[in-house]
Amino acid sequence: DQQVKQNSPSLSVQEGRISILNCDYTNSMFDYFLWYKKYPAEGPTFLISISSIKDKNEDGRFTVFLNKSAKHLSLHIVPSQPGDSAVYFCAALNNAGNMLTFGGGTRLMVKP
Amino acid sequence: NAGVTQTPKFQVLKTGQSMTLQCAQDMNHNSMYWYRQDPGMGLRLIYYSASEGTTDKGEVPNGYNVSRLNKREFSLRLESAAPSQTSVYFCASNRAGANVLTFGAGSRLTVL
Repeated sequence: DQQVKQNSPSLSVQEGRISILNCDYTNSMFDYFLWYKKYPAEGPTFLISISSIKDKNEDGRFTVFLNKSAKHLSLHIVPSQPGDSAVYFCAALNNAGNMLTFGGGTRLMVKP
Repeated sequence: NAGVTQTPKFQVLKTGQSMTLQCAQDMNHNSMYWYRQDPGMGLRLIYYSASEGTTDKGEVPNGYNVSRLNKREFSLRLESAAPSQTSVYFCASNRAGANVLTFGAGSRLTVL
């Protein structure tokens, strides 16, 4: 049973619009969450993170929101750019800090 | 800085053959990890090494062995490859106390 789920395998948005990628988790012991971005034939690269004591973290065009009661987080990209087209993975860190659990990924396509 | 380097990038094996995936990092990180990525499953942790001289099982360790050769190098061995081990393998590392992992570019393994 996957503890971190990304229910949308793919998402297509127009350049300049907002992209919203969603992630749900089941384990209430997770206390740190990360988003990774992956281009084809490359390894995942860190994008943005959020601690469970916060509900929002912003870095330029990227904002992550955390709703602990709903066990849900989302990544907002505004404005979306064609270079943002990639697979995005949500990940959760256990409170021992030694195991990162990933969701299945969402493929984002930003159309010019 | 090379970061995390994995070899080989591609490998085709026959069922029952053995092979070792090599990983080296030049960032003086304490912890190293091996993940596998399968479609829709995200990245799943195979084994990790919190520090030189220690290794621990992750979520999917069966059929694999690891060796933390020194602080820089962490290898993954398949003793008797099976078609179910066809996957893309990623090595990652981080320094003690850091939540963000740095990934290698991946090794694509096909078992026929």
